Amino acid sequence: GESVGLHLPTLSVQEGDNSIINCAYSNSASDYFIWYKQESGKGPQFIIDIRSNMDKRQGQRVTVLLNKTVKHLSLQIAATQPGDSAVYFCAERTGTASKLTFGTGTRLQVTL
Amino acid sequence: KAGVTQTPRYLIKTRGQQVTLSCSPISGHRSVSWYQQTPGQGLQFLFEYFSETQRNKGNFPGRFSGRQFSNSRSEMNVSTLELGDSALYLCASRLGTGDSPLHFGNGTRLTVT
Repeated sequence: GESVGLHLPTLSVQEGDNSIINCAYSNSASDYFIWYKQESGKGPQFIIDIRSNMDKRQGQRVTVLLNKTVKHLSLQIAATQPGDSAVYFCAERTGTASKLTFGTGTRLQVTL
Repeated sequence: KAGVTQTPRYLIKTRGQQVTLSCSPISGHRSVSWYQQTPGQGLQFLFEYFSETQRNKGNFPGRFSGRQFSNSRSEMNVSTLELGDSALYLCASRLGTGDSPLHFGNGTRLTVT
């Protein structure tokens, strides 16, 4: 598979446990945030988004939390499965919703 | 609904050559963006097209250009290729209004030798 980053921070979790992936963003004026999942050999896949007028949003097995005070974003994955193994990126909007600034990514490894 | 489609999947070019990459957005999406992904720099925004007009541009040299056709399909061109242009080039589309999220294709892997 193709490597998306040589020295990514890695989070290892056991199957069935909950995962929390953290992200610090840079621009206090950012008003829209997205989490993406990228598997080897594929493009980033949209997971969930959140606007700055919210502090929490839930999807299917995922929750995004936004703390604007400390410019911090987190992605919680419930009951982590082997198929969740991937690199996860947070992204913030710095203009139109197409111009995103991406974080460096976190590799999630799910162990059996 | 079909996703974002990029062709070709892999390309090998020589320094000094030029290359054209193609992207078909999700049906109904009017905004197409291009990103470059490398291990060292991560994901970086190249440009965005909406209704055949460039709406936004990242910090890349003029060797990188793009265009969008009336059917929303887009092409990206890189001229006078350099070794550092080796990367995964990702196309993404969105509806183009409001906060609709970007949806990415699987990219074109360009290798410059």
